[in-house]
Amino acid sequence: LAKTTQPISMDSYEGQEVNITCSHNNIATNDYITWYQQFPSQGPRFIIQGYKTKVTNEVASLFIPADRKSSTLSLPRVSLSDTAVYYCLVGDHHGGATNKLIFGTGTLLAVQP
Amino acid sequence: EPEVTQTPSHQVTQMGQEVILRCVPISNHLYFYWYRQILGQKVEFLVSFYNNEISEKSEIFDDQFSVERPDGSNFTLKIRSTKLEDSAMYFCASSDLKGNQPQHFGDGTRLSIL
Repeated sequence: LAKTTQPISMDSYEGQEVNITCSHNNIATNDYITWYQQFPSQGPRFIIQGYKTKVTNEVASLFIPADRKSSTLSLPRVSLSDTAVYYCLVGDHHGGATNKLIFGTGTLLAVQP
Repeated sequence: EPEVTQTPSHQVTQMGQEVILRCVPISNHLYFYWYRQILGQKVEFLVSFYNNEISEKSEIFDDQFSVERPDGSNFTLKIRSTKLEDSAMYFCASSDLKGNQPQHFGDGTRLSIL
């Protein structure tokens, strides 16, 4: 599974747009990019998933350049409740021999008033 | 929205005792997983389960651990003889398709071994 690298922490203020970038230089052709969010004492929650270009849903956008060696999670107008750890994961769409998720340390986003 | 539910939310057990953590996955899901997170550390994969058998397990999932789907709804993780280092949050997850279909996590059971 491709290894991912993301900042350990980020600070933001309410109402700002936050962009969290993840590097995955060894991403394979069949790999998708998935982002999860985790609040303290809760399980990870799926945010968004994409393969290339741009994906948008009601909570976030995911930008993936043509070479797919990185991706950026964009959270529009964050609020205090967006304070959480955000994980970038990369994995084979078809699962193959494994479908386990490998979590890194994630990015702790702290949103301040 | 359907969700994965786990019980109990907090379990306190004496070292050496057996513990069973319970999970009710989303009803139409076919793949089930257990993860754990030691306080302040990463979420770690333990085991995946499909078609009534283990698909994959990590090095953490040794002979002290077992999983079972005793009926059509529950999915359990048993630790036969708990150790202090088993203290962690244990998360159950389920997914409907193998691979990149997102896994849906429960809110975990906090296991404290005394």
